[in-house]
Amino acid sequence: GIQVEQSPPDLILQEGANSTLRCNFSDSVNNLQWFHQNPWGQLINLFYIPSGTKQNGRLSATTVATERYSLLYISSSQTTDSGVYFCAVARRGFQGAQKLVFGQGTRLTINP
Amino acid sequence: EAGVVQSPRYKIIEKKQPVAFWCNPISGHNTLYWYLQNLGQGPELLIRYENEEAVDDSQLPKDRFSAERLKGVDSTLKIQPAELGDSAVYLCASSRNWGTQYFGPGTRLTVL
Repeated sequence: GIQVEQSPPDLILQEGANSTLRCNFSDSVNNLQWFHQNPWGQLINLFYIPSGTKQNGRLSATTVATERYSLLYISSSQTTDSGVYFCAVARRGFQGAQKLVFGQGTRLTINP
Repeated sequence: EAGVVQSPRYKIIEKKQPVAFWCNPISGHNTLYWYLQNLGQGPELLIRYENEEAVDDSQLPKDRFSAERLKGVDSTLKIQPAELGDSAVYLCASSRNWGTQYFGPGTRLTVL
């Protein structure tokens, strides 16, 4: 099956700093999503980005499908950005949608 | 638009007892997923439904776990009997075909 690796596993920053989170995957995919899991456990969709670049406020993401990686950028970090960031990918098969395979996550801590 | 609804949010039971989780997906989403998330790890798929049909249940431990999605809307996941190792967060997600998956808040199960 598809393997997903995220780096770094942990990241501690001061408020206002910028950060880059990386996701490498082992095969071609039709679906790639970035999630933020808040301290209450809710998985919040950030981006659906199987290829290309998207931006939403202080967050942006880029997926280079041919090189099998995706990057999540967080600018001007705030304490509310703390939590675990997951990358998840799926490969569409003959039965349609395939399961999302999650990476191990990057735990981001933003200190005031 | 209402999100994915799950209940209960928390459940504490003794081992060997049965337990059931309920999920109501986003209106119009034909695909429904149940994921298991252990502490410190990313979610892993248990079962996927396309409408009322279970099209991927390869990761569901069928000796004790069962699921149903009557009428292709709500779904119930059951464990009988529960074991200590079943303590985890059970997440439900839904999507329109193979599009973006949206997650519910999860049910945190503790087996004593």
